[in-house]
Amino acid sequence: GQNIDQPTEMTATEGAIVQINCTYQTSGFNGLFWYQQHAGEAPTFLSYNVLDGLEEKGRFSSFLSRSKGYSYLLLKELQMKDSASYLCAVLDSNYQLIWGAGTKLIIKP
Amino acid sequence: DADVTQTPRNRITKTGKRIMLECSQTKGHDRMYWYRQDPGLGLRLIYYSFDVKDINKGEISDGYSVSRQAQAKFSLSLESAIPNQTALYFCATRGGFETDTQYFGPGTRLTVL
Repeated sequence: GQNIDQPTEMTATEGAIVQINCTYQTSGFNGLFWYQQHAGEAPTFLSYNVLDGLEEKGRFSSFLSRSKGYSYLLLKELQMKDSASYLCAVLDSNYQLIWGAGTKLIIKP
Repeated sequence: DADVTQTPRNRITKTGKRIMLECSQTKGHDRMYWYRQDPGLGLRLIYYSFDVKDINKGEISDGYSVSRQAQAKFSLSLESAIPNQTALYFCATRGGFETDTQYFGPGTRLTVL
């Protein structure tokens, strides 16, 4: 079966750094997406990785290791507005998105 | 104006009622999707369409039907609503490349009593 695992919830302090992990087992792999979703709102695109390595985009970076079936999203200089759920999704061999359940990130002052 | 819109945004209905959720997009995308989201379960695909004549079932299509009236419009129907269909429903679109990101509508919160 296809499976994506993320921690259910994480807590971090404003101004700090947090790493949200995602491990996956899917039938094929054509890339991995990270989305941000504020409570009650639509998911919005953050990043896409298809090759191994780190992609940096401002305060957010995303890392992929295809051999380990592993990705992480790194958030630096945390702000209160970063409090949200972060969804990991893998594009499988049929180019269908398989979604993780999401990680709820709580930022404390 | 939003690129992907959904109506209604909130709906409360009773068991057995027929409900239609509508989605419109101005992004010019051929691919459209309907998801439901339940706490702790993530997004689950109900139906998807690659063009007006191409409709496909997702992982949880039972109890739902869809209609692709035009490239820009994709509707989801619950023929006879039941309480376990209470959820947040999202419509999404995607561009022509397989690795394009999906763009989501604002969601419809449906409660079935």
